[in-house]
Amino acid sequence: ETGVTQTPRHLVMGMTNKKSLKCEQHLGHNAMYWYKQSAKKPLELMFVYSLEERVENNSVPSRFSPECPNSSHLFLHLHTLQPEDSALYLCASSQDAQDTGELFFGEGSRLTVL
Amino acid sequence: AQSVTQLDSQVPVFEEAPVELRCNYSSSVSVYLFWYVQYPNQGLQLLLKYLSGSTLVKGINGFEAEFNKSQTSFHLRKPSVHISDTAEYFCAVSEVDNYGQNFVFGPGTRLSVLP
Repeated sequence: ETGVTQTPRHLVMGMTNKKSLKCEQHLGHNAMYWYKQSAKKPLELMFVYSLEERVENNSVPSRFSPECPNSSHLFLHLHTLQPEDSALYLCASSQDAQDTGELFFGEGSRLTVL
Repeated sequence: AQSVTQLDSQVPVFEEAPVELRCNYSSSVSVYLFWYVQYPNQGLQLLLKYLSGSTLVKGINGFEAEFNKSQTSFHLRKPSVHISDTAEYFCAVSEVDNYGQNFVFGPGTRLSVLP
């Protein structure tokens, strides 16, 4: 299995739908992250979890709701999204949020909001 | 605050030619530097990283980068590119403070290798 797995790879949803993105890491890492990648823009950090505790929330609208039930799983719950939320959502993990190690990324979930 | 600049948004180059992708950063403290590659419809994959030690860092797929503290640069180079190197390349800088590690990514450079 790859180190960081994201499902679904592609998601199309209406503005009134509720859906969730799932991320699972098999690396034994303690920190997990959600990033948003939009066309023509740098990666935007959304959330950071360290040992299942949220340590950073970068002014993300409340229509995005993260959940980290354990150090291996991370979810991003989506509701009442806007078309401008269409993007590639990348999950990443690292050994520790306080360490100098690199991020390991999943392949991303491509979200389209109609 | 940290920032990362990648001056070239697109770099076309012929196969087997050398290439340099430029990265400059600004930071007030010691930094750690990374290059990531993103192939179409995939996530980011680490190419190489500089944490300390030798300023010339070798990575996967024949890439290398040189950390230049005085010029605050971390340019990526490859002496001879292949068609399969066509991808988006991201430079990133991280700092560790009391709250943890903060990554900032550059806007990316799209490398197109032409036959």
